[in-house]
Amino acid sequence: GAVVSQHPSWVICKSGTSVKIECRSLDFQATTMFWYRQFPKQSLMLMATSNEGSKATYEQGVEKDKFLINHASLTLSTLTVTSAHPEDSSFYICSATGTDYEQYFGPGTRLTVT
Amino acid sequence: EDQVTQSPEALRLQEGESSSLNCSYTVSGLRGLFWYRQDPGKGPEFLFTLYSAGEEKEKERLKATLTKKESFLHITAPKPEDSATYLCAVQGPGRSSASKIIFGSGTRLSIRP
Repeated sequence: GAVVSQHPSWVICKSGTSVKIECRSLDFQATTMFWYRQFPKQSLMLMATSNEGSKATYEQGVEKDKFLINHASLTLSTLTVTSAHPEDSSFYICSATGTDYEQYFGPGTRLTVT
Repeated sequence: EDQVTQSPEALRLQEGESSSLNCSYTVSGLRGLFWYRQDPGKGPEFLFTLYSAGEEKEKERLKATLTKKESFLHITAPKPEDSATYLCAVQGPGRSSASKIIFGSGTRLSIRP
C-alpha cells in the first residue's frame, strides 16, 4: 500500500524560531499533497494544498507567510512554521494523493513551542 | 457550503456489543466519502471509500454503507482493539486529485473488555 512518512515525528522549539516538517511519499509519486493541523480532541483542519512545482493554495485564515509550503518534487513537500509561537503548538499531518485520488496520510508531527 | 456531521461524538460499548456510527453530509456533487480510523497521536488510517448511494464495503468487523445523505459505519462484535476515533470525510466534485476533502469531527469509540 501507499506509504507516507513525516519527519520529525515530534519537535520542541523556542518561541521565535522556525521549524521545518518534511512529508514524503515513499512508494508512489504524489501529484498533490495536503497539510492539516489538529488540536486535541478535534478533527483535522486543512491548511493548504500543494501541487508539485507550483505555489500552494492556502485555506481561508491560514497565514501563507507564517506557514511556508514547498513541494519541490513528486515525493517531497515541506511545511516551515516561521517565527513560531506557543499558539502554533499542534499536531501537523500531511497527506498525499497519487493517480488513484486516494488520500494517504502521514503519521503526523507534534510541534511544541515553548 | 459543504458540511460533514458525525454522531455520536463519543460511544462506549461492551466487547461484543454491535453498534453503528453515523456520518451526515451535505456536498454539491459527492465524488467520494471516506472513513478513516485514527489512534491517539497518529495519522488517520484509511478504511473505506464509497462512491455512490447503495454501495457497501466490509473489512473484518467493519461495514460501511452510503445513502444520498448519510453514511453508516457498522461495527459487529467489537473488540477492545477497535477503540479509536473514526473519522468521516467527503470529497466534492473536481477532476483532479487536488480536490480537497472535508472531515467531520469524528466519533471516539471505546470498547470495554
